[in-house]
Amino acid sequence: KAGVTQTPRYLIKTRGQQVTLSCSPISGHRSVSWYQQTPGQGLQFLFEYFSETQRNKGNFPGRFSGRQFSNSRSEMNVSTLELGDSALYLCASSVAGGGQETQYFGPGTRLLVL
Amino acid sequence: KQEVTQIPAALSVPEGENLVLNCSFTDSAIYNLQWFRQDPGKGLTSLLLIQSSQREQTSGRLNASLDKSSGRSTLYIAASQPGDSATYLCAALGDSNYQLIWGAGTKLIIKP
Repeated sequence: KAGVTQTPRYLIKTRGQQVTLSCSPISGHRSVSWYQQTPGQGLQFLFEYFSETQRNKGNFPGRFSGRQFSNSRSEMNVSTLELGDSALYLCASSVAGGGQETQYFGPGTRLLVL
Repeated sequence: KQEVTQIPAALSVPEGENLVLNCSFTDSAIYNLQWFRQDPGKGLTSLLLIQSSQREQTSGRLNASLDKSSGRSTLYIAASQPGDSATYLCAALGDSNYQLIWGAGTKLIIKP
């Protein structure tokens, strides 16, 4: 079974731009969670989608948004990029989600904002 | 507010040694405690998940314990190997908001 895939793997943007990251979960998984990892703040939960609905949301500004499609693929969007948005963005998938079961992570998208 | 701490931040041991990684959390109202490893360029891999009602979980050379009353979890690695070199992270899942709160990780180096 193919693992979780994330595209693109690397991205360079400038302040003020917007960016869209994509995550394809393992086949049969309906939950996709997104995390941000930075050297200063570590790993932080962004949001979780299940069956095309946002089920849970972390403490991030509204510039961070996401969506999930009927095939469970998910995208996250960051608008009006700031230098502090430079980070590794990880997505994870699971069958039912809610953090109550094993999550499978993709390799991440490394975003650099200049 | 839940806080998860991992000490030490880095650890270097010779191959073959048994070792313990520590994780502490401030709020005992957790649904589960999870251990992951992170390899450079490869994302995170789930190692063990301990439900709040459990005391420990084992997988191969790994054993994780959970003591909710003291707010502590440990990950025991037996007979360490160079392939165990990675950053190990623990994360606590809150039993009300179902959000994982992560520790900063312990970077483990196993010397051949």
